[in-house]
Amino acid sequence: GIQVEQSPPDLILQEGANSTLRCNFSDSVNNLQWFHQNPWGQLINLFYIPSGTKQNGRLSATTVATERYSLLYISSSQTTDSGVYFCAVSGSARQLTFGSGTQLTVLP
Amino acid sequence: GAVVSQHPSRVICKSGTSVKIECRSLDFQATTMFWYRQFPKQSLMLMATSNEGSKATYEQGVEKDKFLINHASLTLSTLTVTSAHPEDSSFYICSARDLGRGPANSPLHFGNGTRLTVT
Repeated sequence: GIQVEQSPPDLILQEGANSTLRCNFSDSVNNLQWFHQNPWGQLINLFYIPSGTKQNGRLSATTVATERYSLLYISSSQTTDSGVYFCAVSGSARQLTFGSGTQLTVLP
Repeated sequence: GAVVSQHPSRVICKSGTSVKIECRSLDFQATTMFWYRQFPKQSLMLMATSNEGSKATYEQGVEKDKFLINHASLTLSTLTVTSAHPEDSSFYICSARDLGRGPANSPLHFGNGTRLTVT
């Protein structure tokens, strides 16, 4: 099946800093989603982005499907941004395969 | 729109008992729902695919007799953990895709998850 790798595994930032999270995948995809999992376990859908670029406030994402990677940008980070960020993809299958996640900690 | 409701959010049960978890798509129909499991500090792993009106398909290593899945309507799937043991303690989360938006080219929507603790 499709493999998904996320980097870095852990990231510690000072409030106000910017960051870039990366997601590499091993095959063509027709679905790519970025999620933020909060401390209560809720998965917050950030972007549905199988290709192209999208922005939502301080967050933006870019997927270069031909090169099999996606980037999530967080600008002016806040303590509430802390949590685990997951990239998940699907190719020919309908279900999503999740990466191992990036644990983000934003310090006040 | 596209809300998936999962209930209960948290359950504590004794070893040997069964627990049922419900997953509902509130404002869309879904012929297929997906059940994931997440152990502490780990990623989400697909357990099974729930198919409306037919048998669920299970991922390798998931016991179908232990994790019973029923998908009786286009808006409801249930996961029953039978004869639960402490090693079944985990975070279970369901997801579904809006049938009206195409089979694959649309996002999956997730419930808020169920935290199961077996004592």
